[in-house]
Amino acid sequence: DTEVTQTPKHLVMGMTNKKSLKCEQHMGHRAMYWYKQKAKKPPELMFVYSYEKLSINESVPSRFSPECPNSSLLNLHLHALQPEDSALYLCASSHPAGGTGELFFGEGSRLTVL
Amino acid sequence: SQQGEEDPQALSIQEGENATMNCSYKTSINNLQWYRQNSGRGLVHLILIRSNEREKHSGRLRVTLDTSKKSSSLLITASRAADTASYFCATGYMNRDDKIIFGKGTRLHILP
Repeated sequence: DTEVTQTPKHLVMGMTNKKSLKCEQHMGHRAMYWYKQKAKKPPELMFVYSYEKLSINESVPSRFSPECPNSSLLNLHLHALQPEDSALYLCASSHPAGGTGELFFGEGSRLTVL
Repeated sequence: SQQGEEDPQALSIQEGENATMNCSYKTSINNLQWYRQNSGRGLVHLILIRSNEREKHSGRLRVTLDTSKKSSSLLITASRAADTASYFCATGYMNRDDKIIFGKGTRLHILP
């Protein structure tokens, strides 16, 4: 199984809503990533988890809250978002946790904030 | 953090021709990777080249790396319509291989 599964595929939320994006992989990878991608732009790194511990936070606003409950799951909790947060959110995993290997990406969750 | 700059930003070629994309980066690296993204989809890894390698091949792909110039190129030979996609280079930032930063990308369009 070489898949990274992201749910939901599409999400529309208001600025006062609380929602979560979910990412799952069963490849035994110990590094998991969240990227944000706007149209016609490259993916921007948000967070990296290594062995279920947050290792990188790219100064992301606190309205985005990551969580790694176990080695297979990665969540991104969303609260009080702004319309400019509308984007494609991509999850990726890699092995080994220290990098030096390819990233496996999910298909993304397309978020629209009204 | 911004690391890579691809050029050209957009490229249109006829099917069957070769496509060359370039990537420049700013900090020291341990390896450089190339990814493809079809419109609105996830990224797919194409090839990884290590800092001690100068050239690597995979099928119709040829990647070169010049660490002295901090640049890499991706050549796709005998292009096909299915190669239409965006292509990104990616590197670890400041030798941190878990901090993988993507370049701006090249949008490649193969004309039938």
